[in-house]
Amino acid sequence: NAGVMQNPRHLVRRRGQEARLRCSPMKGHSHVYWYRQLPEEGLKFMVYLQKENIIDESGMPKERFSAEFPKEGPSILRIQQVVRGDSAAYFCASSPYRGLGETQYFGPGTRLLVL
Amino acid sequence: TQLLEQSPQFLSIQEGENLTVYCNSSSVFSSLQWYRQEPGEGPVLLVTVVTGGEVKKLKRLTFQFGDARKDSSLHITAAQPGDTGLYLCAGAGVRGGATNKLIFGTGTLLAVQP
Repeated sequence: NAGVMQNPRHLVRRRGQEARLRCSPMKGHSHVYWYRQLPEEGLKFMVYLQKENIIDESGMPKERFSAEFPKEGPSILRIQQVVRGDSAAYFCASSPYRGLGETQYFGPGTRLLVL
Repeated sequence: TQLLEQSPQFLSIQEGENLTVYCNSSSVFSSLQWYRQEPGEGPVLLVTVVTGGEVKKLKRLTFQFGDARKDSSLHITAAQPGDTGLYLCAGAGVRGGATNKLIFGTGTLLAVQP
């Protein structure tokens, strides 16, 4: 999917464990977005990051969820103490810059299953 | 509140037929993107439309952005089984919004029977 890489592709966790999802944007892209697709629901925005900065986290649950995009390395979406309701597909998208309506390119997603 | 409504939700047609998918909103967007998603994969970008009234063609697919930049349509001519998938519209830069987060439509699941 246009060079955005996500890993792992599938992740199984037991309730209470931590889940770490990684996203490497397309080469030259410095803007990263995370979206969640719950079963039977559409894609919903979670967080928008630039290198070392969180720009918009209006879609992030207030507790247990955090995201970072360090100067070096991939963006990480971290879910602490997972619950069954966290089971979903998590997608990362990237764009080169923050132009109005800038196109976002999606990765293949990480399917998280919480047992 | 769902800002983008797509219709129809499901569509099953025979190979060779034409179809149109609609994406409607009461909000104005800076741009609108159409994606196709297959099971187990991420959304793949088909097109981005930016200008009100804009029409873009991609082989047998024709995309139109409404004059007021609130709605869009996707028309497929002579559908083929390879067109099967979930079609998603997504608006960016909603007026009053601070960032380029995408607001996704409800999706249209298309099945083209051979």
